[in-house]
Amino acid sequence: AQSVTQLGSHVSVSEGALVLLRCNYSSSVPPYLFWYVQYPNQGLQLLLKYTSAATLVKGINGFEAEFKKSETSFHLTKPSAHMSDAAEYFCAVKHGGSQGNLIFGKGTKLSVKP
Amino acid sequence: DAGVIQSPRHEVTEMGQEVTLRCKPISGHNSLFWYRQTMMRGLELLIYFNNNVPIDDSGMPEDRFSAKMPNASFSTLKIQPSEPRDSAVYFCASGDNLNQPQHFGDGTRLSIL
Repeated sequence: AQSVTQLGSHVSVSEGALVLLRCNYSSSVPPYLFWYVQYPNQGLQLLLKYTSAATLVKGINGFEAEFKKSETSFHLTKPSAHMSDAAEYFCAVKHGGSQGNLIFGKGTKLSVKP
Repeated sequence: DAGVIQSPRHEVTEMGQEVTLRCKPISGHNSLFWYRQTMMRGLELLIYFNNNVPIDDSGMPEDRFSAKMPNASFSTLKIQPSEPRDSAVYFCASGDNLNQPQHFGDGTRLSIL
């Protein structure tokens, strides 16, 4: 069965600092992995996705994530945090080749200090 | 392009009342998902449909919850009778093929008094 673990329910960084949000997955087959962002009172928006092509995936708003099979990780990074990045971020895994649903992590709330 | 449209955005009602949440998926998408989000349990999948057919409803908490998808452009999630513990944000999402991402609506914030 697939699962996702996000380490740290709350991460706080200063504006301009590196953002690193951790995600580890469990999957018996090659996974499809996603990062979503949720701003207050809104639905989830796709940031980026990994679907077995390039291991380094670039998304919107300057975010990127690297798929590391050996570490079963898909951490999300951004070189320089902006105040507008404050939101909740969700990592999700989907079983490749099926119409199955996404399995979401618990989410990590990112705060950005001025 | 219009995204996933959910209505109402907010619903406040008394316990025991019937609640109906509505969702219009993105045109052309063949999968539709209903999620519930709470502080305690995070995002939970309730049910999903593929080509209007329910595929997995194992996340539906109780018989008080039911979902239908009468056609490709409309789905409802109904709670009858509603209880205070049903208070949550309910999201609908749709997708267009096997491994493409799901697109989410803005959610319905439900409060049962």
